[in-house]
Amino acid sequence: DAKTTQPPSMDCAEGRAANLPCNHSTISGNEYVYWYRQIHSQGPQYIIHGLKNNETNEMASLIITEDRKSSTLILPHATLRDTAVYYCIVRKGGSEKLVFGKGTKLTVNP
Amino acid sequence: GAGVSQTPSNKVTEKGKYVELRCDPISGHTALYWYRQSLGQGPEFLIYFQGTGAADDSGLPNDRFFAVRPEGSVSTLKIQRTERGDSAVYLCASSTQGGVSNEQFFGPGTRLTVL
Repeated sequence: DAKTTQPPSMDCAEGRAANLPCNHSTISGNEYVYWYRQIHSQGPQYIIHGLKNNETNEMASLIITEDRKSSTLILPHATLRDTAVYYCIVRKGGSEKLVFGKGTKLTVNP
Repeated sequence: GAGVSQTPSNKVTEKGKYVELRCDPISGHTALYWYRQSLGQGPEFLIYFQGTGAADDSGLPNDRFFAVRPEGSVSTLKIQRTERGDSAVYLCASSTQGGVSNEQFFGPGTRLTVL
């Protein structure tokens, strides 16, 4: 599975958009980009995934660059409850395993 | 509805002992996964079941680790001759049928401490 690179930590003001970057320069054509988050002492929670088109759901938006070498997760109006570790994962189609890195620790400040 | 549940929530054992960790997936989910998470790290894949069979056990670290899912629902992760390095949070997840479009729902985990 392609390796991902994320900043170790980020801060965001409550009510503002949180933009979390992820580099996956070695991604191949059949690999999907997934985002999960893990709030302290809980199991990871699925947020969103995409292949090459931008995706939006009730939680977030996923912007994937045209060359697919990087992506950005956008939380449009961050709240204190969005404080968590956010994991960007590249997953091969047909593979069931999720390969987690260390993620980005997002802190939303009041 | 009920999510993935794991028991016990905490388990303390002594080096060399045998432990069993239980996972109850979401009802009707045929795919089940085990991961473990060491302090400060992301979860690490251990094994994936589709129904009763282990479809991918490539993440099991050695033959002290074994998992079963005899009826295609509840799963048990078994660790023999525990070592201090086995201390971690063991996470279970389930999915409707696996596949790229089916998200994995995680339980809260079992924190294993080996003294």
